[in-house]
Amino acid sequence: DIQMTQSPSSLSASVGDRVTITCRASPSISSYLNWYQQKPGKAPKLLIYAASSLQSGVPSRFSGSGSGTDFTLTISSLQPEDFAAYYCQQSYSTPYTFGQGTKLEIK
Amino acid sequence: QVQLQESGPGLVKPSQTLSLTCTVSGGSISSGSYYWSWIRQPAGKGLEWIGRIYTSGSTNYNPSLKSRVTISVDTSKNQFSLKLSSVTAADTAVYYCARVDYSNYGTDFYYYYMDVWGNGTTVTVSS
Repeated sequence: DIQMTQSPSSLSASVGDRVTITCRASPSISSYLNWYQQKPGKAPKLLIYAASSLQSGVPSRFSGSGSGTDFTLTISSLQPEDFAAYYCQQSYSTPYTFGQGTKLEIK
Repeated sequence: QVQLQESGPGLVKPSQTLSLTCTVSGGSISSGSYYWSWIRQPAGKGLEWIGRIYTSGSTNYNPSLKSRVTISVDTSKNQFSLKLSSVTAADTAVYYCARVDYSNYGTDFYYYYMDVWGNGTTVTVSS
């Protein structure tokens, strides 16, 4: 199985901050990388697919980059509704695998 | 707008079979070139992909569960289902169904992603 490792596991930030979450794949997955946001008690929501394509309806403050083994999710200016857990997921091959998650908390 | 809804027993006894159904509304499960997937999440933990099915019936399963998992589709009911046999407490989780869409940007490379999710249903394995 492809291993996905996210960092950090948790992050404290303030409204307005620029935040970056990292995801590393082993082995390489080209650009087959998706990002999801999950709020407590809710289903995950797709934010970014194919490493850098913004899902329809997702605010433009979210962006993704990377290819191969290293990827980043960036939130350019944190809003109150962005405090949640974030997961990366590879779709290069089955079984699809997820990172362990990054919990973004209010400072 | 397509919506998914999971249904099934919330409590299953150890060694028995967990059975869940995902009902697709707002569109036909057979339209488009979608896979349909199951994912689970134990309380306070991360997401685990269980498997996916195409409307032709073709399936892919997570090897960690493969010997116990069956995913099937019923196009006449616009539903797909999950069966997980010989359950233990470790199978206690929130179970989600999701649609798997793709983009290929005009190439032969298919970038799959789970774009529509159900709300999830909690299944507890306990006697």
